[in-house]
Amino acid sequence: GAVVSQHPSWVICKSGTSVKIECRSLDFQATTMFWYRQFPKQSLMLMATSNEGSKATYEQGVEKDKFLINHASLTLSTLTVTSAHPEDSSFYICSARPGGVGTGELFFGEGSRLTVL
Amino acid sequence: LAKTTQPISMDSYEGQEVNITCSHNNIATNDYITWYQQFPSQGPRFIIQGYKTKVTNEVASLFIPADRKSSTLSLPRVSLSDTAVYYCLVALNSGNTPLVFGKGTRLSVIA
Repeated sequence: GAVVSQHPSWVICKSGTSVKIECRSLDFQATTMFWYRQFPKQSLMLMATSNEGSKATYEQGVEKDKFLINHASLTLSTLTVTSAHPEDSSFYICSARPGGVGTGELFFGEGSRLTVL
Repeated sequence: LAKTTQPISMDSYEGQEVNITCSHNNIATNDYITWYQQFPSQGPRFIIQGYKTKVTNEVASLFIPADRKSSTLSLPRVSLSDTAVYYCLVALNSGNTPLVFGKGTRLSVIA
């Protein structure tokens, strides 16, 4: 099946620094990718929809200036957590779906665990 | 996006069949029903998807009644490695439609 890969798998940073997480579709092109955040013992929360070549669409309550999304190519989307604080510590997961209408499965990356000290 | 309701948790012994039912009363005509499995510290993994009636693959079966207002994921003869959170999702099957996750069902398989 299609593969979505994230890097890094885990990252620890100091409060106030910025962290970039990459999401790549390894064997298909994705004009759209989705970013989720998951806190311990909770479900995935959709943060934003990343669109290749245009601005991302953010869900209500997600600060676009804090969570910068760049989808510069058909296989790469990046999420940058700017000026990270301990409350941003979470598991960040990206996903993408090959092709267009009627193609079914949404593939998820392995996730990236961010810990802000 | 249709909202889903499923049990918060379930327990089962190894070797038993497990059925997890999901309610989605406001499912739209073009929505598909998809189930995902998630292990701790991993991204969700696709299990099965269907539109109506019954779908079966090598790991599970999905039963969908005619009114499509609910669905049941059936896991035959579960093992300890099936301990995970199972999510039922309902959405359009298109490239730019995200999946909105509900709370999921935490399945614990006991030896």
